[in-house]
Amino acid sequence: DVKVTQSSRYLVKRTGEKVFLECVQDMDHENMFWYRQDPGLGLRLIYFSYDVKMKEKGDIPEGYSVSREKKERFSLILESASTNQTSMYLCASSLFRTGGEQYFGPGTRLTVT
Amino acid sequence: GDSVTQMEGPVTLSEEAFLTINCTYTATGYPSLFWYVQYPGEGLQLLLKATKADDKGSNKGFEATYRKETTSFHLEKGSVQVSDSAVYFCALSDLGGNQFYFGTGTSLTVIP
Repeated sequence: DVKVTQSSRYLVKRTGEKVFLECVQDMDHENMFWYRQDPGLGLRLIYFSYDVKMKEKGDIPEGYSVSREKKERFSLILESASTNQTSMYLCASSLFRTGGEQYFGPGTRLTVT
Repeated sequence: GDSVTQMEGPVTLSEEAFLTINCTYTATGYPSLFWYVQYPGEGLQLLLKATKADDKGSNKGFEATYRKETTSFHLEKGSVQVSDSAVYFCALSDLGGNQFYFGTGTSLTVIP
């Protein structure tokens, strides 16, 4: 089974802090994704990556950056956390770039105070 | 562009009732279609999928048929259980594109 793990289930940070969310997958997938999930808005794509050191902006990249130094790890960075970044963050990976299913981690519930 | 529209919730059913959650899609290419389920406090889990027209995906008593003529992929279950209470997401991945598109989710609550 594909396993996608995220570094924290719950995280509380203060406004202005730099926040790192880590995601690791164990199935040698090329493709990895970061989403945020908010009530009434569904899932929105923040960034994705098709290969090591490659990244592409999704629908809502503002205020976020990402890092992919190794194939299995994809990090989401909030350079200066703000209260409107309080959300559930979901990481996913997929074998195929398009047409195939994505596998999700358990999510990180981030609260910025 | 590509998109997915699913029926809004919340949906509340009694145990053993029949479930239908409607999903329609718009795609420029030849999409694969998916249903995901999210239990409280967890990430999304793949429930079933279909990769071409007339395919039927099935899992855990849930079914959905890929209908190209009506651009639909409705989720059905003949007899729901309390343990099916969750949020269900319809999604597509288009071979011609480079993204995964999700519906906004439908919350299902099954009462004993």
